[in-house]
This record gives sequence, C-alpha cells and structure tokens, in this order.
Amino acid sequence: EVHLMESGGAVVQPGGSLRLSCAASGFTFDDYPMEWVRLSPGKGLEWVSRISWDGGSIHYADSVKGRFTVSRDNSRNFLVLQMNSLRPEDTALYYCVRADVGTEGGHFFDFWGQGTLVTVSS
Amino acid sequence: DIQMTQSPSSLSASVGDRVTITCRASQSISNYLNWYQQRPGKPPRLLIYAASRLQSGVPSRFSGSGSGTDFTLTITSLHPEDFAIYYCQHSFIIPITFGPGTRLEIK
Repeated sequence: EVHLMESGGAVVQPGGSLRLSCAASGFTFDDYPMEWVRLSPGKGLEWVSRISWDGGSIHYADSVKGRFTVSRDNSRNFLVLQMNSLRPEDTALYYCVRADVGTEGGHFFDFWGQGTLVTVSS
Repeated sequence: DIQMTQSPSSLSASVGDRVTITCRASQSISNYLNWYQQRPGKPPRLLIYAASRLQSGVPSRFSGSGSGTDFTLTITSLHPEDFAIYYCQHSFIIPITFGPGTRLEIK
C-alpha cells in the first residue's frame, strides 16, 4: 500500500525557514516523479514543485522560486522541501504527492499524503 | 500560465441526482486534464486522468469528457459520500494549475 507521510510543519515568523520531509513507502520510490502541492483557504490548491525520479529535472511555481528547494534521497525514500524567506502567503497545508505519467504523457497525482501545516505569522 | 475556471462554484443536489461540473482552460491543453475530489479533512483523491480515464478503484458513476479547452465531470446517481469539493487540474505545461473548485452540497 502506498503511504506518504509529511512532517516538519510548524508556526514560523516571516523571513524564517522550515524543512518539510516526506517519507514514502509501499512503492518503488525512484520510479516516480514527486510533487509538493499546498492548500490554503484563500487560494485553493496550488502546485509548488516537481522533482523527477532521479532529481535531474526540477520545477517550481513562480511564487516560491528562489526561496524553496526540493530534493530527494532515493536510498532512503525521502522527499524534502527546504523553505526559506517564508512569507505570510506561504501559510498552507503542504501535501507530498506521487505523480505518474499517462500513456499520452500528462502527469497526474495519484497518491497524496495527509499534509503538514505551515503557518507564517509574527 | 494557463488559467483554469470551473462552473458552477457551488451546487446543491440530492442523493440519486445526476450532476455535471464544467472546467475550462484558458488555452488548449489537449486531454491533459485531471479531476480530484476532496472531502473535509482529507487530501484530494484522483478520480479521472487524461480527461476521461477512470482511476483504479473509483466508482463507475464518475466519468469525464472533453478535450482542448472544455471539459466535464459527470456523476450519475449521487451517493452520500460524493458531497465534497471537486477540482480540475491541467498538466499540459509547467506551471500546473488547478481550478478554484466546485463545492457539491446536499440539498
């Protein structure tokens, strides 16, 4: 059974940093790209970042580019999101998501963790 | 960025009803369109991918159609557990974007 468990969410002041982790199990981790998606009351679902199966291709939403860094450790089945220079608008529930690719090439998000809450407030 | 819109933003229906939710992309996305269901306190759940392909384990009362810019999600014969928020999402290019969601409520 696929299982994704996020950790690391906390209350942090503006300008601070947090490191989110996602422990994956139940599937061959390095067969899949992985994503971070966040949910906030004001913005709904927002895609944050994607990392390819080997870490060789990485993408970010413009809203986090230059502040967030995604990485993965395929030997330990871990996904990490390093979040720096946090802003109040980064407040959200952050989901670790497994992506798969259809036969015609489009990505879809087939398994989601329960999420970890990040609150940026003074 | 590709903008996704959904209509209606909310919908009231009864158990047993048939409902249709519409999603529109600001430019053509071929069939790179996915649908998710989110119940309160739960993560989103993939229902439909590639516009019309039913994800494994999802009941057959859910179906999707469309291509290009216009897409629909149809639920035939609503069950009590179907009352939730539904999101569309494109995966045509980076950045991936989601629609604002359609809240399906019990009448």
